[in-house]
Amino acid sequence: DAGVIQSPRHEVTEMGQEVTLRCKPISGHDYLFWYRQTMMRGLELLIYFNNNVPIDDSGMPEDRFSAKMPNASFSTLKIQPSEPRDSAVYFCASTRGYTSGANVLTFGAGSRLTVL
Amino acid sequence: GQQLNQSPQSMFIQEGEDVSMNCTSSSIFNTWLWYKQDPGEGPVLLIALYKAGELTSNGRLTAQFGITRKDSFLNISASIPSDVGIYFCAGRTYNDYKLSFGAGTTVTVRA
Repeated sequence: DAGVIQSPRHEVTEMGQEVTLRCKPISGHDYLFWYRQTMMRGLELLIYFNNNVPIDDSGMPEDRFSAKMPNASFSTLKIQPSEPRDSAVYFCASTRGYTSGANVLTFGAGSRLTVL
Repeated sequence: GQQLNQSPQSMFIQEGEDVSMNCTSSSIFNTWLWYKQDPGEGPVLLIALYKAGELTSNGRLTAQFGITRKDSFLNISASIPSDVGIYFCAGRTYNDYKLSFGAGTTVTVRA
């Protein structure tokens, strides 16, 4: 299995530009999570999906952030317009349904975003 | 998510030494997980714990799910240079699908 695939690995953009981060979860995993990691705040959950449906987006910082999952093998996290304080590493993670012995997240390698 | 307190924040250890770190929660958890993150990579699962009192090993790593269900610890025995990295605890409460993460323990090994 190729694991959770994220792209791009690195993105440098200017303030005000639109940023789109992409994620391909592990095949057969029905839960997908987007996390943000910063030195100040650590790993923060932004949003998660179950069977392509957003379940909890309470961690999304503001309306500039949006996430979609059009099918079981693809999700996007979009920031429009981007701001310097959005600079962080964004992780996508997936898992199979939360049965006993499950709920172990597999993370992608992350997308490092720098907004100038 | 739930509040997790992980300690220590960082540690410098001599190769061959044993390492111990712990995590406490303000809530009762039904799952505790320990992850390791290498530079430029995502966190990778080390050990998963599902029952209070459970003690689980993975090579030189040993983790325990506290009896109170509000704490967990991770031990690394006979540390080696490749143990360098950031170790995170994570947990979830019953009926909450979201994982909360500790702030991480940065381990640096001196050869």
